[in-house]
Amino acid sequence: DVKVTQSSRYLVKRTGEKVFLECVQDMDHENMFWYRQDPGLGLRLIYFSYDVKMKEKGDIPEGYSVSREKKERFSLILESASTNQTSMYLCASSGDRVSADTQYFGPGTRLTVL
Amino acid sequence: GQQVMQIPQYQHVQEGEDFTTYCNSSTTLSNIQWYKQRPGGHPVFLIQLVKSGEVKKQKRLTFQFGEAKKNSSLHITATQTTDVGTYFCAGPGTQGGSEKLVFGKGTKLTVNP
Repeated sequence: DVKVTQSSRYLVKRTGEKVFLECVQDMDHENMFWYRQDPGLGLRLIYFSYDVKMKEKGDIPEGYSVSREKKERFSLILESASTNQTSMYLCASSGDRVSADTQYFGPGTRLTVL
Repeated sequence: GQQVMQIPQYQHVQEGEDFTTYCNSSTTLSNIQWYKQRPGGHPVFLIQLVKSGEVKKQKRLTFQFGEAKKNSSLHITATQTTDVGTYFCAGPGTQGGSEKLVFGKGTKLTVNP
């Protein structure tokens, strides 16, 4: 079974803090993704990575950056957290031999920025 | 840009009633996938449809892929409280690499026991 883990289930930070969200997958997947999920807005793609050290902007990259130094790990960085970044953050990976684009999600991190 | 629309956004049913959610893409899709997110949980892959007109069943769930490969539906027969959650459809992105999925906004199903 694919396992995608995220560093925290719940996180509370203050405005202006630098925030790191980490995601690890154990299936040797090529692709990793960061989404945020807000009520009524569905899943919105922030960034994704298709290889180590490679990244591409998604639909809402402003205010975020990412890092992929190792294949199994994809980090989302909020350089200076703001209250409008309070949200559920979901990491996903894909690259299965059977179905290359099926995504497997982590449990999510609910971030509150005060 | 590429869009995937889902209707309805919300659906409330009595236990035992049927439920259907519809998914429409602005572009032809090579495949369509369905995911379920339970309350408090994360999206979990349910199924992938690839062929035009394809129909697949998983117990009480029936998935269809349209002939033009631009629309899909998920039908649940005789809903149970365990069916509660948000159902998302998703298709491969057509811009840039195919690694991305474009998700619909989901249909949130609640079931009254």
